[in-house]
Amino acid sequence: AQSVTQLGSHVSVSEGALVLLRCNYSSSVPPYLFWYVQYPNQGLQLLLKYTSAATLVKGINGFEAEFKKSETSFHLTKPSAHMSDAAEYFCAVTDGGATNKLIFGTGTLLAVQP
Amino acid sequence: DAGVIQSPRHEVTEMGQEVTLRCKPISGHNSLFWYRQTMMRGLELLIYFNNNVPIDDSGMPEDRFSAKMPNASFSTLKIQPSEPRDSAVYFCASSLAVDNSPLHFGNGTRLTVT
Repeated sequence: AQSVTQLGSHVSVSEGALVLLRCNYSSSVPPYLFWYVQYPNQGLQLLLKYTSAATLVKGINGFEAEFKKSETSFHLTKPSAHMSDAAEYFCAVTDGGATNKLIFGTGTLLAVQP
Repeated sequence: DAGVIQSPRHEVTEMGQEVTLRCKPISGHNSLFWYRQTMMRGLELLIYFNNNVPIDDSGMPEDRFSAKMPNASFSTLKIQPSEPRDSAVYFCASSLAVDNSPLHFGNGTRLTVT
């Protein structure tokens, strides 16, 4: 079965610094991978998705992620953090087969320091 | 597009009472998912429907939980009787029934069982 592992439950960066949130997946078939963001007291919002069209995927709010099959990774990055990026970020993978059932990682809480 | 609408936003009830959570998916979406989010267990998929039919309910914790989707625009998640350990945020999400279609989440129902 597919799964994702997010390394680091808490990440803290300074405003203007690089953001790097790590996600590794386990899948026996080519996966579809997603990053979602959750702001306090809200549902999850899609940041970006990988569907095999291109290994570097650009999302909203200046975020991007690179699919690396050799490393089974799909890390999320942003060149310069903004205070408004403080939120919880979830990596997710489809369960495989003809379904869009998503399996989520445990999340990474991003703090941005002034 | 109004997005996925969940009600109520907050529910406080006493142990043993019946709780019903409601969800209206995005019009045209034919997959609907119920997730539960807790600090201890993260995001757990409880059940999902395709075209109003339950496809996978393996995540439903026990018989106290039941979910229905009587039509394409409405779903309920019922807990009877409720217990303190059911306290969590319950999210409904909808999507198209294709395997790279992203999920759109509601803002959740925060359930507190005392």
